[in-house]
Amino acid sequence: RKEVEQDPGPFNVPEGATVAFNCTYSNSASQSFFWYRQDCRKEPKLLMSVYSSGNEDGRFTAQLNRASQYISLLIRDSKLSDSATYLCVVNTNAGKSTFGDGTTLTVKP
Amino acid sequence: DAGVIQSPRHEVTEMGQEVTLRCKPISGHNSLFWYRQTMMRGLELLIYFNNNVPIDDSGMPEDRFSAKMPNASFSTLKIQPSEPRDSAVYFCASSSPFGGIQETQYFGPGTRLLVL
Repeated sequence: RKEVEQDPGPFNVPEGATVAFNCTYSNSASQSFFWYRQDCRKEPKLLMSVYSSGNEDGRFTAQLNRASQYISLLIRDSKLSDSATYLCVVNTNAGKSTFGDGTTLTVKP
Repeated sequence: DAGVIQSPRHEVTEMGQEVTLRCKPISGHNSLFWYRQTMMRGLELLIYFNNNVPIDDSGMPEDRFSAKMPNASFSTLKIQPSEPRDSAVYFCASSSPFGGIQETQYFGPGTRLLVL
């Protein structure tokens, strides 16, 4: 079993749709959590951190459930520019980051 | 801030040749990570350094791979001899701790390696 598992995707949605991505992690000692975005042929870039209380940044909402070892990302009113691969990232307190395989989103007009 | 700098951006080489990838982390960051990304295996952590010291190299595929960080502003990843299965995008990333926990990693643009 992989340390970080994501929805396999791909997700193909129309503009304006709401889409949710899920991620589970196996290491209960994990300390910090993130969602990264990677555009085609580019490097991954931080989209948002994930806090225990949940956090929102515009159209994006991230949730963390430590008991279930589960992270989610919700995108509302999706735009064409949201098309990318979304990577779930889990850090241990030893500083090691583990990336999920990513979920590809395509938003269509 | 120039961000994480990697060179070369593209490398095409023949099987058996030595390949050296270079990385300059963001100034002030004390952790540096080398990743490899392929379609088949996704993004894999190869090795990471904290304060120039290798902390975890369990992701290094085999003895053909080696990494060094002689100072806080420079790291290399060397493959010798290279093989076609090493073809991938190699990313370098750096981060700094916050509250004792490593936070956001900033990635360089990557080096696209093709071994013929």
